[in-house]
Amino acid sequence: DSGVTQTPKHLITATGQRVTLRCSPRSGDLSVYWYQQSLDQGLQFLIQYYNGEERAKGNILERFSAQQFPDLHSELNLSSLELGDSALYFCASSWGLGTDTQYFGPGTRLTVL
Amino acid sequence: AQKITQTQPGMFVQEKEAVTLDCTYDTSDQSYGLFWYKQPSSGEMIFLIYQGSYDEQNATEGRYSLNFQKARKSANLVISASQLGDSAMYFCPLEDKFYFGSGTKLNVKP
Repeated sequence: DSGVTQTPKHLITATGQRVTLRCSPRSGDLSVYWYQQSLDQGLQFLIQYYNGEERAKGNILERFSAQQFPDLHSELNLSSLELGDSALYFCASSWGLGTDTQYFGPGTRLTVL
Repeated sequence: AQKITQTQPGMFVQEKEAVTLDCTYDTSDQSYGLFWYKQPSSGEMIFLIYQGSYDEQNATEGRYSLNFQKARKSANLVISASQLGDSAMYFCPLEDKFYFGSGTKLNVKP
């Protein structure tokens, strides 16, 4: 158990809908990362937050948004969902930036029908 | 831009033998580090090992060791005495953790 929790574990929804994925980092970790992993693909970095502030942005679609709250948990909002958004979404946390080891949550499996 | 290349999409190794997974990187940073992660079929990402470019000795964690060759910009993972549980995807992101590459799928044969 990495100490990073993600809810829900599985999510099935329809095209055009909006969903929210939730992540609670390890206790004491300030940095949260979001990744998307489509079937048989590597991880695509979406966005990073550090202590409530957006730190870096990767290949995140405009239909997606995220935030980190004062208690350091983070949410990833996906809207106007398309079939291609079906993927495993990971959240990871680290204490700080740079060389700090990153610990991953179990992921949320999103299926868009 | 930083980039990770893993040239072995799939590999097989016999149980109890050693295996080397290749990873080359491209970065303009003078100081950097590289991680290796394992992703079994169950999906979770598991941290294996880390080494910084300023570390003089190659990192070792149990059966895992890093063969860091800065001149060649490579940081290969060596797994000694492979076990069936080592069958998984392996990724090697740089320390910014923004680029994970396409990974190498390792299959350990009994």
